Amino acid sequence: DTGVSQNPRHKITKRGQNVTFRCDPISEHNRLYWYRQTLGQGPEFLTYFQNEAQLEKSRLLSDRFSAERPKGSFSTLEIQRTEQGDSAMYLCASSLSSRRNYGYTFGSGTRLTVV
Amino acid sequence: DQQVKQNSPSLSVQEGRISILNCDYTNSMFDYFLWYKKYPAEGPTFLISISSIKDKNEDGRFTVFLNKSAKHLSLHIVPSQPGDSAVYFCAASKSGANNLFFGTGTRLTVIP
Repeated sequence: DTGVSQNPRHKITKRGQNVTFRCDPISEHNRLYWYRQTLGQGPEFLTYFQNEAQLEKSRLLSDRFSAERPKGSFSTLEIQRTEQGDSAMYLCASSLSSRRNYGYTFGSGTRLTVV
Repeated sequence: DQQVKQNSPSLSVQEGRISILNCDYTNSMFDYFLWYKKYPAEGPTFLISISSIKDKNEDGRFTVFLNKSAKHLSLHIVPSQPGDSAVYFCAASKSGANNLFFGTGTRLTVIP
């Protein structure tokens, strides 16, 4: 297992365009999380899936954001009508629900730049 | 509202000496705390954790101390090595919650 994989690594888009990111978690992990990190800040929670069910969304996740995890495997995060304030590192993480003390395994992230 | 705070943006330590990274939190409902290490161009990597029922947890060169009354935790690295140079994030969670609250990070530089 190669860990949590995120694609693309970098994305530059024009304001107003839609973008989609993909995350492939560790195969046996049933929990998947999306976080966003801006410069000088720690990661901020966006949303959480247990298997295919999206169980929690942060108020940071505006209506322009949508996430899916079909069949409880990979996940996608889509941002519609991107704004410059969406520029950030988008991090995906996965974990096993029974192993709180081992923390998450994060991917390397997708860096989004909106110009 | 920053519920987890790391007030030192950076720390420099000589190789072989002790590194002490500090973290404060405001929410008394937090009952689990974690430290992550982040290298450039990589995601955060889990380092060590501690439950609120303990005041110390040790793993090799890394020890985390928790002072619940002060709402303070610290990560000790001894001896520090140049490969420890990274950004360290403190994180906290509440029982039954599904997300982590992260601090803003402390950049540790270990000087050879």
